[in-house]
Amino acid sequence: DAGVTQSPTHLIKTRGQQVTLRCSPKSGHDTVSWYQQALGQGPQFIFQYYEEEERQRGNFPDRFSGHQFPNYSSELNVNALLLGDSALYLCASSPGRRGAGELFFGEGSRLTVL
Amino acid sequence: DAKTTQPNSMESNEEEPVHLPCNHSTISGTDYIHWYRQLPSQGPEYVIHGLTSNVNNRMASLAIAEDRKSSTLILHRATLRDAAVYYCIPFYYGGSQGNLIFGKGTKLSVKP
Repeated sequence: DAGVTQSPTHLIKTRGQQVTLRCSPKSGHDTVSWYQQALGQGPQFIFQYYEEEERQRGNFPDRFSGHQFPNYSSELNVNALLLGDSALYLCASSPGRRGAGELFFGEGSRLTVL
Repeated sequence: DAKTTQPNSMESNEEEPVHLPCNHSTISGTDYIHWYRQLPSQGPEYVIHGLTSNVNNRMASLAIAEDRKSSTLILHRATLRDAAVYYCIPFYYGGSQGNLIFGKGTKLSVKP
């Protein structure tokens, strides 16, 4: 049983560019959440997708957007990249929105913005 | 949201028990206490959760104070693989919030 898979694992972008990160949830999970983890900090909640809609959002600007597909996979898009967007981006899945207490995380996508 | 306080770092010797404390004095009566850990270069991993009673699973034990203002994660015999950052997180299953709020956690080092 595959867990949460994310791609790419590492990528480098320059300021002003756009990036798309992808996530496939654990089998049987329909809810996907995205987190940003800066170096030395705990993960910070970006948003959560359920039934192909953004259901909750953390304190992140509109440059951060996402999408969930009918197969429950998800994408995170970041526009107009800033140096401060350099971080590990984590995808997590759960069986339903209320099950978010027991999240399954992927290994993350490490984004470096130069 | 309930605030949590954890030591920044702790050290342990291999094969000895480790007690990781967490203060959550503002926790509500319906918040479960979750613990996650994050090994180097990996995403966080669920460890255990509980509401009022002490809980055990194959990874660890969770001891919850009677007033629920603090809890302790217990690793019975630390191994080198247990070196990680441990996060204590209150979470309410019945609410509209569907996300976990992570603090900085406790970085556990295990010495051979």
